[in-house]
Amino acid sequence: AQRVTQPEKLLSVFKGAPVELKCNYSYSGSPELFWYVQYSRQRLQLLLRHISRESIKGFTADLNKGETSFHLKKPFAQEEDSAMYYCALSGRFSGSRLTFGEGTQLTVNP
Amino acid sequence: GAVVSQHPSRVICKSGTSVKIECRSLDFQATTMFWYRQFPKQSLMLMATSNEGSKATYEQGVEKDKFLINHASLTLSTLTVTSAHPEDSSFYICSASGSGDGYTFGSGTRLTVV
Repeated sequence: AQRVTQPEKLLSVFKGAPVELKCNYSYSGSPELFWYVQYSRQRLQLLLRHISRESIKGFTADLNKGETSFHLKKPFAQEEDSAMYYCALSGRFSGSRLTFGEGTQLTVNP
Repeated sequence: GAVVSQHPSRVICKSGTSVKIECRSLDFQATTMFWYRQFPKQSLMLMATSNEGSKATYEQGVEKDKFLINHASLTLSTLTVTSAHPEDSSFYICSASGSGDGYTFGSGTRLTVV
């Protein structure tokens, strides 16, 4: 079974502070991990995926297979980062189902 | 980038009627499409997975006779909520894979059954 856990439903930080959104997973095999962001009244958008190793909008995430984690980090949060963030997991084969975590609502205060 | 169009964005229907939601991949062939349901302040729950030309695979607890999914072409999948009841009111989201960018999501459909 595949499962994604985001332990924090709400996270509040001040502008300029570092932010880390936690994500742990369970999967029997080699998963593909994603972070999606949903801004208010907008559709779900891909923020980053572990295989691309990109940094988008200053966010990075490293896959830690030993700890089965894929935490999302940003060194200096901005007010426009306030949104709902979802960690998600799929298998690596085409058409594999995508399983979401419960989501973390990030609020960046001025 | 890849685009998925979902229509309608909002629909209100009377209890007992059926509602059809369309999901189209605009610039790529979607080999697989997924339908999710999202309750307020909750995560996306996968309802079913559909591959073009074959029957959809439903998640446990999802009534296949109530939520009819058709994936007749590589660019179109439809979800029909049959004999809708107020408890079916929710936000329905489709997603498509096949673009090479992973999964692309539609903008969602807010269904209200009165």
